[in-house]
Amino acid sequence: EAGVTQFPSHSVIEKGQTVTLRCDPISGHDNLYWYRRVMGKEIKFLLHFVKESKQDESGMPNNRFLAERTGGTYSTLKVQPAELEDSGVYFCASSPGTRPNYGYTFGSGTRLTVV
Amino acid sequence: SQKIEQNSEALNIQEGKTATLTCNYTNYSPAYLQWYRQDPGRGPVFLLLIRENEKEKRKERLKVTFDTTLKQSLFHITASQPADSATYLCALTSGGFKTIFGAGTRLFVKA
Repeated sequence: EAGVTQFPSHSVIEKGQTVTLRCDPISGHDNLYWYRRVMGKEIKFLLHFVKESKQDESGMPNNRFLAERTGGTYSTLKVQPAELEDSGVYFCASSPGTRPNYGYTFGSGTRLTVV
Repeated sequence: SQKIEQNSEALNIQEGKTATLTCNYTNYSPAYLQWYRQDPGRGPVFLLLIRENEKEKRKERLKVTFDTTLKQSLFHITASQPADSATYLCALTSGGFKTIFGAGTRLFVKA
C-alpha cells in the first residue's frame, strides 16, 4: 500500500510569489489533514477535509492560503502571495475515518522557504 | 488556551534502560491521546492511541498511560535500543476530532 505522498519535498520561493503544494493521501482515505511546523515549534493544524468538503478550516492562518480537494482524492494547498513567515514544513496526513482509531498516516512533508 | 507540554530537553539514556516521556496538557478534554515518532526529515509515524476511558495501553516494548485527572500521559519504551532515538510527539484529539500536537521530546539512546 502506497503511503501519503507530498510534492514537492522542498520549495524555495521569493516573497510575493505563489506556491502550490500537493498531497496524495492513501487510496480510500476519506479524511485528509494539512498541518504546518514553523521555526521548530509544534506541528499546528491547518484544516481537515472529509472527501471533498472542508470539515474544519479553523487553523488556516489567513486568506492567502487556499486548500482544495476536488473529487475527494488529492489535495492542494496554495499560498498566494507568500510571505516570509510562511516558511516551514507543511505536512499532510490521511485517515480512513474521522475517529483516529489507527492514528494518522503522514507524508514526509514539504519544506517551504520564502526568501 | 489549549496547551500541550512535553519536556523540551532531550532525554539521554543508556541502551537497555526504560525511557519515560511525559505529556501534560491544560484547557483540553481529549477523547483520544496519541503518540507519534518523528525522525529528521520525515513525517510523524503513529505508534499508539489511548482513549479517555482507558488507563493503560501496551504494544510490544511500548506502554502508554493516561490520567485524565492529572491531565497527563506517560510514554515508556522498555529495553531501549539506539534505533529508538528519535523525537516523540504527543497528540490530543477532541470529541470534534481536531488533533493538536506537542512540540515533542528528543530521545537519545546510547549504546
